[in-house]
Amino acid sequence: DTEVTQTPKHLVMGMTNKKSLKCEQHMGHRAMYWYKQKAKKPPELMFVYSYEKLSINESVPSRFSPECPNSSLLNLHLHALQPEDSALYLCASSHVQVGGNTIYFGEGSWLTVV
Amino acid sequence: QKEVEQDPGPLSVPEGAIVSLNCTYSNSAFQYFMWYRQYSRKGPELLMYTYSSGNKEDGRFTAQVDKSSKYISLFIRDSQPSDSATYLCAMSPSKGAQKLVFGQGTRLTINP
Repeated sequence: DTEVTQTPKHLVMGMTNKKSLKCEQHMGHRAMYWYKQKAKKPPELMFVYSYEKLSINESVPSRFSPECPNSSLLNLHLHALQPEDSALYLCASSHVQVGGNTIYFGEGSWLTVV
Repeated sequence: QKEVEQDPGPLSVPEGAIVSLNCTYSNSAFQYFMWYRQYSRKGPELLMYTYSSGNKEDGRFTAQVDKSSKYISLFIRDSQPSDSATYLCAMSPSKGAQKLVFGQGTRLTINP
């Protein structure tokens, strides 16, 4: 079983809704990531937090707002999404700089925007 | 040209066969190479991780890296129906790099 836990597993939201995806890890990792994955495509990096600070933003639209309240938690706040934002959202974590970056993924949150 | 090329398949083989999955890459700076397995509607699971060239074996799985040819492989021996999944190669250039570059993934089906 993955040690990166994501909730909820499934989310349906309207284009005017505000919702959040949550992620938790207890592996002592200080880097946490959000990825987006569309069907039959590889994961696409969205954001990276290192030591609870945003270190990478891959030019993601502002309707996605990440938050890292502490070293174990990562949130993705969603607002005014579009139907094309429907996808699998993956949280991941890793050590920041120990022997390369072995990144561990959670099971994902399936988001449908209607 | 993509940085990492991986044949998307689908690849279908009989149970017990040896499976070979491959990726080629163009960036000679890549040093860390990973294989992830992703079951349908699940997150990717790290299978193998190798640094630089050489082979690494874990049970029925062997990862091979040939940096001179910019080519990596994953071999699955005695394949089982439970191995049916999408296999993603991924790589990164340096110790501190936080951006993985993924291949497109190969869909594999093992037929009983």
